[in-house]
Amino acid sequence: SQQGEEDPQALSIQEGENATMNCSYKTSINNLQWYRQNSGRGLVHLILIRSNEREKHSGRLRVTLDTSKKSSSLLITASRAADTASYFCATGGSEKLVFGKGTKLTVNP
Amino acid sequence: EADIYQTPRYLVIGTGKKITLECSQTMGHDKMYWYQQDPGMELHLIHYSYGVNSTEKGDLSSESTVSRIRTEHFPLTLESARPSHTSQYLCASSESEMLSYEQYFGPGTRLTVT
Repeated sequence: SQQGEEDPQALSIQEGENATMNCSYKTSINNLQWYRQNSGRGLVHLILIRSNEREKHSGRLRVTLDTSKKSSSLLITASRAADTASYFCATGGSEKLVFGKGTKLTVNP
Repeated sequence: EADIYQTPRYLVIGTGKKITLECSQTMGHDKMYWYQQDPGMELHLIHYSYGVNSTEKGDLSSESTVSRIRTEHFPLTLESARPSHTSQYLCASSESEMLSYEQYFGPGTRLTVT
């Protein structure tokens, strides 16, 4: 399975701090994506990193990908209370994405 | 916000009832997906479609069925609901371009079967 697994399962930080979440997967991929899910809602796509890329930025988000270790990390800088959500990595090779169990991030004001 | 809609948002129904969860998107996407997600857990793909008249079963076995008669519409039906079907159901769509795998999700339907 290409399933990604996030670490940690839960993370609680203070507003203004940085949050780092990690994702590990098992097989070769074409890309890895990160999604955010607010409680009881659908997922929102945050960023996609291709297998030939090592780092990508989008606003306060920084994603790294290490294909030799089959791992990725998502860094949220200067966190805000509104960043409180679950974050999922998803690995894709063709048309089906496989999602991990997610990291539940709580940002305390 | 993605232009993908799901109705109803919440549904409480008795065992044995037939239900249809609606999903519509206005983005003209060919690919559509149904996921099942229990609280705090990962998403499991239960059905997907490449386009009109195409339906495929996903990785998680499901007693539900789907249809794709129109590009924009991908309803999911449970012929006889059971308490084990209690879950959140998420619909998603994506463009058919091979290099782009981003999926757009609807808000979900939270189903409770009593």
